[in-house]
Amino acid sequence: NAGVTQTPKFQVLKTGQSMTLQCAQDMNHNSMYWYRQDPGMGLRLIYYSASEGTTDKGEVPNGYNVSRLNKREFSLRLESAAPSQTSVYFCASSEMAGSGANVLTFGAGSRLTVL
Amino acid sequence: TQLLEQSPQFLSIQEGENLTVYCNSSSVFSSLQWYRQEPGEGPVLLVTVVTGGEVKKLKRLTFQFGDARKDSSLHITAAQPGDTGLYLCAGADSGTYKYIFGTGTRLKVLA
Repeated sequence: NAGVTQTPKFQVLKTGQSMTLQCAQDMNHNSMYWYRQDPGMGLRLIYYSASEGTTDKGEVPNGYNVSRLNKREFSLRLESAAPSQTSVYFCASSEMAGSGANVLTFGAGSRLTVL
Repeated sequence: TQLLEQSPQFLSIQEGENLTVYCNSSSVFSSLQWYRQEPGEGPVLLVTVVTGGEVKKLKRLTFQFGDARKDSSLHITAAQPGDTGLYLCAGADSGTYKYIFGTGTRLKVLA
């Protein structure tokens, strides 16, 4: 009963380094999302994938890229990390995008620090 | 840009007190959800409200969706230490796949 699994849980990067956050879900959900959470700002949508093979920008996509590798996996890549990208990142999935009864299931988060 | 403002931002109360958290927007949402998040974990869904004016109860928690579907409130009766956490509202726009989250209300209930 894993749900949404994110790796790594913690990461420290130097400015300019690159890294990929991995996310996998085992609920056969169609849609997947990446959010970042900063103090006093709630959760902000970075990218989402309504279904396998599609990705779209959210509220704060600059500095990030995503790949929907298959139905289960959705990765987030930072090509050249900046201190402003220090945050907690959450991956989420949902069964059916656009429905009023749509429920987001979140992973436990990945805490990223960029020095 | 759709925004969801929550108030208050922080709330510290004694066990047994009542409280209300508000979630307001100038935009209309097709549905609105409330989540609770505990330290080191992702948010967990509490409720979804879909119809304007709808009221839902979950034990000591009462959720209301505004008539115009632009705002919502969460009322907790006789708060307990187990209610401590970050409460987030999230609105979904019909026809898109984006869930916009509010700024969050951090609640601490003291025993």
